[in-house]
Amino acid sequence: ETGVTQTPRHLVMGMTNKKSLKCEQHLGHNAMYWYKQSAKKPLELMFVYSLEERVENNSVPSRFSPECPNSSHLFLHLHTLQPEDSALYLCASSQEPTGLEETQYFGPGTRLLVL
Amino acid sequence: SQQGEEDPQALSIQEGENATMNCSYKTSINNLQWYRQNSGRGLVHLILIRSNEREKHSGRLRVTLDTSKKSSSLLITASRAADTASYFCATTQGDTGTASKLTFGTGTRLQVTL
Repeated sequence: ETGVTQTPRHLVMGMTNKKSLKCEQHLGHNAMYWYKQSAKKPLELMFVYSLEERVENNSVPSRFSPECPNSSHLFLHLHTLQPEDSALYLCASSQEPTGLEETQYFGPGTRLLVL
Repeated sequence: SQQGEEDPQALSIQEGENATMNCSYKTSINNLQWYRQNSGRGLVHLILIRSNEREKHSGRLRVTLDTSKKSSSLLITASRAADTASYFCATTQGDTGTASKLTFGTGTRLQVTL
């Protein structure tokens, strides 16, 4: 266990559904991340939150909407997704800035299938 | 465009053998990290090497970094079946600001057979 949990672990949704992915970290970190992992593609950074403020949005379509209510929780709200959005969505956290350690701790991921 | 590219894409060895994976990147880095991912699971951090370091060890892992060639290698000695996983290199570069932004490669899929 890395101290980062994600729910649900698996999700099947239609293109007209609205769903949310949840991430919680128990490590006392102050930065959280959403990544998308598709088959045979590098891990793609989607969003970065530092001290609960969004500091990075890598040209992600607006059908993905992140929310970070506090330093321990991160959500990814999904609506009107496309089949190509099917992927493993990974959450990570880190303690920033330290100047010494830039390791990220990952959750187990949510496997999303969009029909 | 991706920063890191691992080589080979897939590697199959027998238990007890050593496994070597390589990573090349394109721009100057602050540090380079290696992560492991078991099938369909999250990534687990293995080791971090800074741009001013050339070699680092952790248990059965040995990482080298050659900044002149913009490349790194991960050596796993005396491999075990439990080492079967995908291995990714990730780099941070430039001003990390208030949060580190990792750029990952496509990974090497390691299969260790009995």
